[in-house]
This record gives sequence, C-alpha cells and structure tokens, in this order.
Amino acid sequence: ELKVEQNPLFLSMQEGKNYTIYCNYSTTSDRLYWYRQDPGKSLESLFVLLSNGAVKQEGRLMASLDTKARLSTLHITAAVHDLSATYFCAVDIENYGGSQGNLIFGKGTKLSVKP
Amino acid sequence: KAGVTQTPRYLIKTRGQQVTLSCSPISGHRSVSWYQQTPGQGLQFLFEYFSETQRNKGNFPGRFSGRQFSNSRSEMNVSTLELGDSALYLCASSLDPRTDTQYFGPGTRLTVL
Repeated sequence: ELKVEQNPLFLSMQEGKNYTIYCNYSTTSDRLYWYRQDPGKSLESLFVLLSNGAVKQEGRLMASLDTKARLSTLHITAAVHDLSATYFCAVDIENYGGSQGNLIFGKGTKLSVKP
Repeated sequence: KAGVTQTPRYLIKTRGQQVTLSCSPISGHRSVSWYQQTPGQGLQFLFEYFSETQRNKGNFPGRFSGRQFSNSRSEMNVSTLELGDSALYLCASSLDPRTDTQYFGPGTRLTVL
C-alpha cells in the first residue's frame, strides 16, 4: 500500500526556535512537493523537489529530498507566528503505474508558533 | 495572471441529489486534477485530466465522475450524494505534472444534509 507519513502531526513551537518536519514515503518517487494550508484556505505551493539531494530554501523554510531513504524534511529556522499553518508533503506517483498528476498526500503537520 | 477558479464556492445539497462542480485552470495549463479533502481521510486524489482525456482515477466509487472541455475547463459530478461526500473539493492545474507544481484553486465546500 502506498503511504506518505508525516511527523509530527502537531507541532507547537516558540518563536525563534528551530524544528524539522519529516515526510516518509513508501513508493519509489523522485518528485516531492510541500504545500502550506491556512485555516479555511486552499493549498499554497512551497517547494517542488525533483531529484535526489535536492535542497530548496525560501525565507525561514528549507526543504530537502533523499530518494534513497524515501525521506523529505522541511526545516524551520527561527520560527515566527506567521508560519503557523498546516504543512503537507505530497509524493508524485507517476512512476507507479505510469500515472501523472496524481499526488499522494501526507496527513499534514499542524504548526502553531507561539510568542 | 489569474489563478485557478472554482465555482461555486459553497454548496448545500441533500442526500440522493447530484452536484456538478466547475474548475477553470490557469491560462495555458492543460492538466487538471481533482482532490477531496475531509478531516478524517485528508487529501485524496479523485482524477486527473489532460487535453480532455482522463489519465488517472483515484479509488472512488463510480458516483464520482468528471470531464474536461477543449478550453481545459473541467467539471466533476457526484451523483446520489451521501453524507460522507461532505468535503472540500479542490481543483489543481499545472503545465506539466512531471515537472511543474500543481496550483490549487480555493475549493468548493460541499455539505450534504
């Protein structure tokens, strides 16, 4: 069974602290996506990771991909309240049965950054 | 350029009815995917269309169907609604799902009473 597992599912942080969200997946894939969702809103694309060893950074967020370990991380540096949201990772299973445009999502990590 | 638009934004239906949701992708995008989001099951893939062809379908019953028009606009239809169909339905478009991110619309919140 295809699985995308995120941990933790809930994360309460203090402003200024660092933390990492982990995304493990069970199928072969070299494409992984990170999205952010604010309450009542749609998904906002954060990062697209297209190859093993890919690392991308935007502001206080940095994402990396290790396809051999089937692991992606989203690292938060010096968190601020504005980062409070739910973060989803998603794996493109185009390699699985030749499908495209089919993302398998993790359950999301609800991040709360407190002053 | 304009983002993905979905109509209607909110919908209330009763069990047994059917519903049609619409999605207009970003101009130039030919791939449209649909997802269902519920608190219990999370985000689940429904189907993906590219150039009017359904390329892939998720694990949903046949009551869920869709189509794509020549202008890339897409509709999804749910027949014989059940309470469990209450969800946020998200549409996403992309140039090429292999290399491009999917851009999500605001969603349609469907409530089945």
